[in-house]
Amino acid sequence: GAGVSQTPSNKVTEKGKYVELRCDPISGHTALYWYRQSLGQGPEFLIYFQGTGAADDSGLPNDRFFAVRPEGSVSTLKIQRTERGDSAVYLCASSLSVLEGQFFGPGTRLTVL
Amino acid sequence: EDQVTQSPEALRLQEGESSSLNCSYTVSGLRGLFWYRQDPGKGPEFLFTLYSAGEEKEKERLKATLTKKESFLHITAPKPEDSATYLCAVQVSGGSNYKLTFGKGTLLTVNP
Repeated sequence: GAGVSQTPSNKVTEKGKYVELRCDPISGHTALYWYRQSLGQGPEFLIYFQGTGAADDSGLPNDRFFAVRPEGSVSTLKIQRTERGDSAVYLCASSLSVLEGQFFGPGTRLTVL
Repeated sequence: EDQVTQSPEALRLQEGESSSLNCSYTVSGLRGLFWYRQDPGKGPEFLFTLYSAGEEKEKERLKATLTKKESFLHITAPKPEDSATYLCAVQVSGGSNYKLTFGKGTLLTVNP
């Protein structure tokens, strides 16, 4: 079956611009997660959705970051006024429940010039 | 604070040379320990979940084991296609039991 998909695969933007990153989870997975991975590091938790609601957004770095999942399936991570320090790979994962393993998408590589 | 430390940072093996990767963890209470494989430019690929000390799981040339303080990923007779970064992550019991806390990974290179 289809895995987690993320678009775009690469995004280059200029400092100060707004970007949206999209995640399509595995069908039927109610739990969805966003992580951020910098070079040479493991993924770091950003936000967790159970259904449509953000159950925990404590990992979002600041208020420039926001994520939605309006219909309980596709999620969008939104970054306002991007900064060079936002450059990283943004990973999305989904699972049947929090008790099950998380399956990751290929990631979106964001580069802020 | 929950911590995960992986060693070595990088490991170079000859094809057929067995070895082990280490993941040590400090958590308030462990719900599960996860191993992932990550190829360059790809997302992490799920390998194993271990839940209790003494548990072992195997998949092809890989075997994961768990103690109360660490986990090992044993690689038997590796092949060049096993080259990747191997990530370890923990999930704690209690309120934040959905969150994975990752180590930095071990970059494994298997030479033919």
